[in-house]
Amino acid sequence: AQKVTQAQTEISVVEKEDVTLDCVYETRDTTYYLFWYKQPPSGELVFLIRRNSFDEQNEISGRYSWNFQKSTSSFNFTITASQVVDSAVYFCALSEQNSGGYQKVTFGTGTKLQVIP
Amino acid sequence: NAGVTQTPKFQVLKTGQSMTLQCAQDMNHEYMSWYRQDPGMGLRLIHYSVGAGITDQGEVPNGYNVSRSTTEDFPLRLLSAAPSQTSVYFCASRPTGYYEQYFGPGTRLTVT
Repeated sequence: AQKVTQAQTEISVVEKEDVTLDCVYETRDTTYYLFWYKQPPSGELVFLIRRNSFDEQNEISGRYSWNFQKSTSSFNFTITASQVVDSAVYFCALSEQNSGGYQKVTFGTGTKLQVIP
Repeated sequence: NAGVTQTPKFQVLKTGQSMTLQCAQDMNHEYMSWYRQDPGMGLRLIHYSVGAGITDQGEVPNGYNVSRSTTEDFPLRLLSAAPSQTSVYFCASRPTGYYEQYFGPGTRLTVT
């Protein structure tokens, strides 16, 4: 069974602070993918990043960076110099094959980030 | 491309009523899914489909039916609405393989 844990329910930071959102996953598969999505107050779900299980390189995109560590089954997301527009709910997700050979996606419960001006 | 579209955006039902939430995509994606989002629960998979004619249950399928007669459409049916089905429903699609999902704008459903 696959499982994604986002232990931080809500985080508040002051603008320009750095913040890290944690994601821990469980899977028995050796091939899987991990994702981060953003859900701003407007409600839509926006894809941020995809990482496969064979690529442990950290990724940086502007103020966003992701740290994937298979040894600890974690895929953490850091926002540097946070801005008010970063206020949103962030979801981590895991995709792996189920017993029927199909890729099923499991989402974490999300972390609500509030950036205070 | 319109992407993934969902109708209606809002709906209020009385307990016991039935309705269909519509979902369509114009990206020729094989994989489509329905999720519900409840406070503190994240997104939970209701049903999914890997192509026309092929559907399977997700994590919370009870009370919902789906069918997939075309690649483009994946409707979700509530046969007898219950207050526990009050939620925001998202439809998503993606190509076959380990790719990100494209989400519709969501349908906010209230069952009284």
